[in-house]
Order: sequence, then C-alpha cells, then structure tokens
Amino acid sequence: QQPVQSPQAVILREGEDAVINCSSSKALYSVHWYRQKHGEAPVFLMILLKGGEQKGHDKISASFNEKKQQSSLYLTASQLSYSGTYFCGTEGGSARQLTFGSGTQLTVLP
Amino acid sequence: DSGVTQTPKHLITATGQRVTLRCSPRSGDLSVYWYQQSLDQGLQFLIQYYNGEERAKGNILERFSAQQFPDLHSELNLSSLELGDSALYFCASSGLRDSLNTEAFFGQGTRLTVV
Repeated sequence: QQPVQSPQAVILREGEDAVINCSSSKALYSVHWYRQKHGEAPVFLMILLKGGEQKGHDKISASFNEKKQQSSLYLTASQLSYSGTYFCGTEGGSARQLTFGSGTQLTVLP
Repeated sequence: DSGVTQTPKHLITATGQRVTLRCSPRSGDLSVYWYQQSLDQGLQFLIQYYNGEERAKGNILERFSAQQFPDLHSELNLSSLELGDSALYFCASSGLRDSLNTEAFFGQGTRLTVV
C-alpha cells in the first residue's frame, strides 16, 4: 500500500524552511527519502530505521515515528539546489518491497 | 553516476509491439528492482529479483514480465504495448536480500513512448 505524502507541492524562497510528511497505514520497518530532479533518476537522501531515530544530512534531516507510522523530512534554510520532487519510500508489512509515495514537488525561488 | 546502467535510454514503438528493457546493477549488488513512472507521477513498484529469483511483485501487468540472469543483469519485457504504457522505467539495485536497510541506487531510466 502506497504511503501518503503531504503537501503535494511547496514553493519557498531561498533560506526558508519546509517540512514534508509521509504516513503509512501499516507497520513500517524503514523509511527512505529520495530526491528527483526533472528527467533524472531519484537520488538517495537517507534511510530511517524503526526506533524513532532522527537523521541529518547537511541542512536536511528526517524523523521516523514508528508508533504513528510517520516520517517527516525537514529542509532548513533551503537552497536553490533543493528544488525537485521528494519521494518517501516505505518498507513494511509482509511484502519486503520499497513502495514510494506520490511525491512532493519542492520549488525554491531566489 | 550510480553504477546502475539501463539501456536503451529512449525507445519509441508502436502499439501492440513488444520491447525489452535491460538493466545492469552496480557491481556486487544482488537485488534488482523495476519501477514505472508515468508523466509527473510517482514511482510504481513493479517487481524485485534477488540473485536470479523473484522476491516481490507489485502492480505488474500480466503483459509485463522480467527475469534476472546468472550474471545478475535483468530484463523487463513489455508486450502488447498500449499507449498507457508510455512511461519512464527505472531499475534500481541494492546489496541486501531480505532487508532494505540500505540505499537503493537508481539507473537513469528508459523512456518508453508508445505511438
């Protein structure tokens, strides 16, 4: 079952912050975050394993609430290079497969 | 460069035809995943192979089939093509079998256009 991402789209000015949410109706083993530029392959950002850990990557961080089956991606002081579509991928349930949400389109304006 | 190679990059074919998309995973990766991405849509999981065996199946049509060969490259076969099959098809690879607790590396994709 596909995770649900919100919002569908975000427009920011450089330097502003954004939060992208991902939720699932089933218990999760892990949550993956990827960024895809138009016409390119998705690029890995980070993985969060069950245990509620938070990870960081430069000014991009994420949290995983295992009990709520939710993850959030935090983009701090956004840069123009952050523009793209962000996908969360979840692994859970009986089928060990990585299922992606429909994506959040992030646009950072100068 | 992710190390995952997909060929061809572009493919234009007519309805009713059959095509084969090829994927070479990163050196050492045993798992291969296929995804379909329609225009401005998300990534739809099709199928996963591990070391030659099918491991998981998503919303893959009966007209589609895949296999992974002993040298670990994989092929996705699409037959009786319809206009709605036009999409970007991605292959991804990772090193582990039963756990996805590692990064998946995506190829650049094959853009299929059915006319």
